[in-house]
Amino acid sequence: NAGVTQTPKFQVLKTGQSMTLQCAQDMNHEYMSWYRQDPGMGLRLIHYSVGAGITDQGEVPNGYNVSRSTTEDFPLRLLSAAPSQTSVYFCASSRLVKMTASSYNSPLHFGNGTRLTVT
Amino acid sequence: GNSVTQMEGPVTLSEEAFLTINCTYTATGYPSLFWYVQYPGEGLQLLLKATKADDKGSNKGFEATYRKETTSFHLEKGSVQVSDSAVYFCALHGGATNKLIFGTGTLLAVQP
Repeated sequence: NAGVTQTPKFQVLKTGQSMTLQCAQDMNHEYMSWYRQDPGMGLRLIHYSVGAGITDQGEVPNGYNVSRSTTEDFPLRLLSAAPSQTSVYFCASSRLVKMTASSYNSPLHFGNGTRLTVT
Repeated sequence: GNSVTQMEGPVTLSEEAFLTINCTYTATGYPSLFWYVQYPGEGLQLLLKATKADDKGSNKGFEATYRKETTSFHLEKGSVQVSDSAVYFCALHGGATNKLIFGTGTLLAVQP
C-alpha cells in the first residue's frame, strides 16, 4: 500500500540551481496536484493534472513546471530556484468523479511532503 | 473566486474539553466541503466531508455540518484527546473546477 510517494524528503539548493521533485502514486488516480505549504498561508495549489498529457496552472505556478507523461508520475520542476521557493511541497492525488455537468474530486491522498530550502 | 476562511490558531485545550474550529467559505454554485488533518511530520489526511447543504460529515468523534445559509462548515468534537493535537484544514471544492482550495489551517494543541 504505497499510496502517494514523494522523493526526496529534504533538499537544500543554492539560488539558481534546478531540481525535480518526484511524485508517484499506485492507485490509478486520474487527478494529481502539487501544493506548497507556508506558515500562515495554508496550502496553495501550484499545478494540477486531470490525466496523462493534461496539466494546468493553480494559484502559484510561476517558477515551476510539470508534466504528466504517465498516470502514475507527476514530477515538479524548479528551473532556477529562488529563496521564495523555500517551502514544504506536497503531492496529492485522487480519483476524478464526474457528477452531471460538473466534476469533483474524491478526497485527496497526500504524500508525506518534501522540505525544500533555497539559500 | 472561491475562498475559505478559518479561525486563527493556535487553539489550546485541556483533554476532554469541547472543540470548535470555525470555517466559512465563499463559492459560486454548490461546492463540496472537507476537513483535513495533518499530524506532525506527515501529509494531510481526509477527516470528513460533506457534499451538499445540511449534510453532516463525521469521523473519529469529529463532526461538521454544511450550512449553506451561513456558508459555514465548523468542526466540532465533544471531548478532545491529546492524540487529536494536529493542524486542521478546512477545504472547498467548487463544482466548476477541479481545484481544492484550502484554508490557512488551525493548530490544535491538547494538554493532558
